[in-house]
Amino acid sequence: KAGVTQTPRYLIKTRGQQVTLSCSPISGHRSVSWYQQTPGQGLQFLFEYFSETQRNKGNFPGRFSGRQFSNSRSEMNVSTLELGDSALYLCASSDGTSAHNEQFFGPGTRLTVL
Amino acid sequence: DQQVKQNSPSLSVQEGRISILNCDYTNSMFDYFLWYKKYPAEGPTFLISISSIKDKNEDGRFTVFLNKSAKHLSLHIVPSQPGDSAVYFCAASEAGNQFYFGTGTSLTVIP
Repeated sequence: KAGVTQTPRYLIKTRGQQVTLSCSPISGHRSVSWYQQTPGQGLQFLFEYFSETQRNKGNFPGRFSGRQFSNSRSEMNVSTLELGDSALYLCASSDGTSAHNEQFFGPGTRLTVL
Repeated sequence: DQQVKQNSPSLSVQEGRISILNCDYTNSMFDYFLWYKKYPAEGPTFLISISSIKDKNEDGRFTVFLNKSAKHLSLHIVPSQPGDSAVYFCAASEAGNQFYFGTGTSLTVIP
């Protein structure tokens, strides 16, 4: 099976711009979660989508949004970028059907906001 | 608020010796715990998990111990190998909800 893929791998934007990141989960996985990783903060949960519906949400401002398509691919959008949004954004897919599902991570998108 | 904490940002161990990575959590309702390993420029990869109904789970060189009364879990790697050098994250969840991750411990295994 192909793993989780994320595009693009690297991105440079300026403050005030918006950005869309894409994640393709492992075939058959219906759950996609997004995380932000910054130095010293670990992985901070953004949101999880399951069957096109947001199932869980972390404590991020409304500038961060996402969606999931019928083929389980997911996109994450950040509007009005701030310098503090510079981070590695990781998505993870899982089967999502039981309480304890292992998550498989993609390589991440490195976003730099100038 | 950091519900899962890894208080040691880094750890160095000689090859062949035991590596012990620690993780503390604050939410007593967490019922599932995982360890992930992350190499630079790659996403985290799943290493081992443990349910709250157990206090130990072993997989080859990796063993995870859970002490629910202390809200503490640890990952033991025996024997440590240079290829184990990576950043290790612990994570916890409650009833299948979101995972909370620690800030990671960078392990260096010295040949």
